[in-house]
Amino acid sequence: QKEVEQNSGPLSVPEGAIASLNCTYSDRVSQSFFWYRQYSGKSPELIMSIYSNGDKEDGRFTAQLNKASQYVSLLIRDSQPSDSATYLCAVNRDSNYQLIWGAGTKLIIKP
Amino acid sequence: NAGVTQTPKFQVLKTGQSMTLQCAQDMNHNSMYWYRQDPGMGLRLIYYSASEGTTDKGEVPNGYNVSRLNKREFSLRLESAAPSQTSVYFCASSYLDEQFFGPGTRLTVL
Repeated sequence: QKEVEQNSGPLSVPEGAIASLNCTYSDRVSQSFFWYRQYSGKSPELIMSIYSNGDKEDGRFTAQLNKASQYVSLLIRDSQPSDSATYLCAVNRDSNYQLIWGAGTKLIIKP
Repeated sequence: NAGVTQTPKFQVLKTGQSMTLQCAQDMNHNSMYWYRQDPGMGLRLIYYSASEGTTDKGEVPNGYNVSRLNKREFSLRLESAAPSQTSVYFCASSYLDEQFFGPGTRLTVL
């Protein structure tokens, strides 16, 4: 079992709809959780971080964390074609600031 | 603020050649990282440096060496390149655990 798992996709969502991206992790002691967006041929860009159970909203993005079930999700409201990218989930499980990375979910927003 | 910069952007090597990838950050971050990214495998940590003067192995360190030259600069060296090292290499720096990435180096080893 991988430590951080994501569905590789592609996930196809119509423009204007809500895109829902999921990530599960195996280590219960994980403390911090991150979503990165990576456009094709570009570097990963941090879009959300979440540290406690519940929802965290930033513009059209909402991160949701459920430590009991060991999953973190990212919702993108009013999806735009510019949201088409690969979304990487990363988890920090210890104090040395190393992140464990999922392989990413490719999201395609169809106009 | 340039953030994290990497040179070169592209490089083609022959098997057995050596090269150094350069990385610099101007965000006054203590920690710096080198990753490689291969299709379908996500990001894999090669080496990291928690602070100036310290370096530690990550998940895939074999065939690589690093130098933390000062707080700003963290270089990655391939002593004898192999085709298996064909990849995209990213440098990152962090304040606590939020990591910020450079633009990457696309390396091909023939």
